Amino acid sequence: SQKIEQNSEALNIQEGKTATLTCNYTNYSPAYLQWYRQDPGRGPVFLLLIRENEKEKRKERLKVTFDTTLKQSLFHITASQPADSATYLCALAFGNEKLTFGTGTRLTIIP
Amino acid sequence: SAVISQKPSRDICQRGTSLTIQCQVDSQVTMMFWYRQQPGQSLTLIATANQGSEATYESGFVIDKFPISRPNLTFSTLTVSNMSPEDSSIYLCSVAYRTAYEQYFGPGTRLTVT
Repeated sequence: SQKIEQNSEALNIQEGKTATLTCNYTNYSPAYLQWYRQDPGRGPVFLLLIRENEKEKRKERLKVTFDTTLKQSLFHITASQPADSATYLCALAFGNEKLTFGTGTRLTIIP
Repeated sequence: SAVISQKPSRDICQRGTSLTIQCQVDSQVTMMFWYRQQPGQSLTLIATANQGSEATYESGFVIDKFPISRPNLTFSTLTVSNMSPEDSSIYLCSVAYRTAYEQYFGPGTRLTVT
């Protein structure tokens, strides 16, 4: 069965630096890969979606890359701020209208 | 994006009882989903709530334990039946418009079973 791994449970980054989060998967490449943000006690919030034929997507300070050869997506937050502190989840969709979520990385931006 | 509310936001229930969680959306949506998020874990899809027909359950989840209703395009309920402490979790509903690949989540219901 498909396995999704996010690089680490927790990541601490100095304010102003770029935070890079990793999402690796096994087996088949998804049709879509997405990133969500989840704050404590809240539901996940959709951030970005990237298709299997796209290499990179940007939205303001966010950038997502998708490498189907490496079976990996990287999620970058540039000029990070303490307000970016949250858990970030990657989610894969395989064409059956369902999402499979990774376990998430808890990001803390240190002032 | 959608505005989604869930009731209750949290509850503490006794073993053997049932709890019904409501999910209300401020606009008509094509798809509604129910997820479970156990402490320290990621989200696991329980079922897709289908309007006017029986929900579609994922492997490991059954209708007798998690009956779901979806009477219209803006409302759904999930019941957690005959609860045990293992059902302690956050239950989340999500909605999607044209495709399931961009989902909007409710705030969640934190359930504790004693």
